[in-house]
Amino acid sequence: KAGVTQTPRYLIKTRGQQVTLSCSPISGHRSVSWYQQTPGQGLQFLFEYFSETQRNKGNFPGRFSGRQFSNSRSEMNVSTLELGDSALYLCASSHPDSSGNTIYFGEGSWLTVV
Amino acid sequence: QQPVQSPQAVILREGEDAVINCSSSKALYSVHWYRQKHGEAPVFLMILLKGGEQMRHEKISASFNEKKQQSSLYLTASQLSYSGTYFCGLRSGAGSYQLTFGKGTKLSVIP
Repeated sequence: KAGVTQTPRYLIKTRGQQVTLSCSPISGHRSVSWYQQTPGQGLQFLFEYFSETQRNKGNFPGRFSGRQFSNSRSEMNVSTLELGDSALYLCASSHPDSSGNTIYFGEGSWLTVV
Repeated sequence: QQPVQSPQAVILREGEDAVINCSSSKALYSVHWYRQKHGEAPVFLMILLKGGEQMRHEKISASFNEKKQQSSLYLTASQLSYSGTYFCGLRSGAGSYQLTFGKGTKLSVIP
């Protein structure tokens, strides 16, 4: 069974630009969540989607947004990029019947803002 | 609120044992343990549910003390492949859709 797939894996953007990251969950998983990982703050929750609806949002500015499509694939967008947005962005998926809502991470998208 | 992990880092020789603790100031529903190697995604190890049993993954086991709101990860007879950063992620309720992660414990196993 294929795991969570994220694209692109690496990207470099300039301050002020915007970026869109894509995530394909494990087949059959309908919940997709996004996390930002930085050396200073660790893993921080961005948002979670289920059946195209955002169920929960972390403490990030409105520049961070996301959406989920009918096939459970998800995208996140960061507008007006800042240097501090440089991070590893991880997507995770879970099956609605999984015990405790276990989430499985993709390999992430490394974003560098210059 | 972010759980507190201890120790922050530990160095072991192959075959030695280690314990990693994860404490929370909030009531917990479940504790999720992950291991992340440098440059890779976090890999799920095990989950402990409120009222559930101690879990095991190969020679790694974990416990969940609901009264103390604490979980411990036990690594027995460590192997080189155990090296990485271990994170605990906490879910506060059955209807909670996010994991709140600790800052991680860096484990280095040397020959």
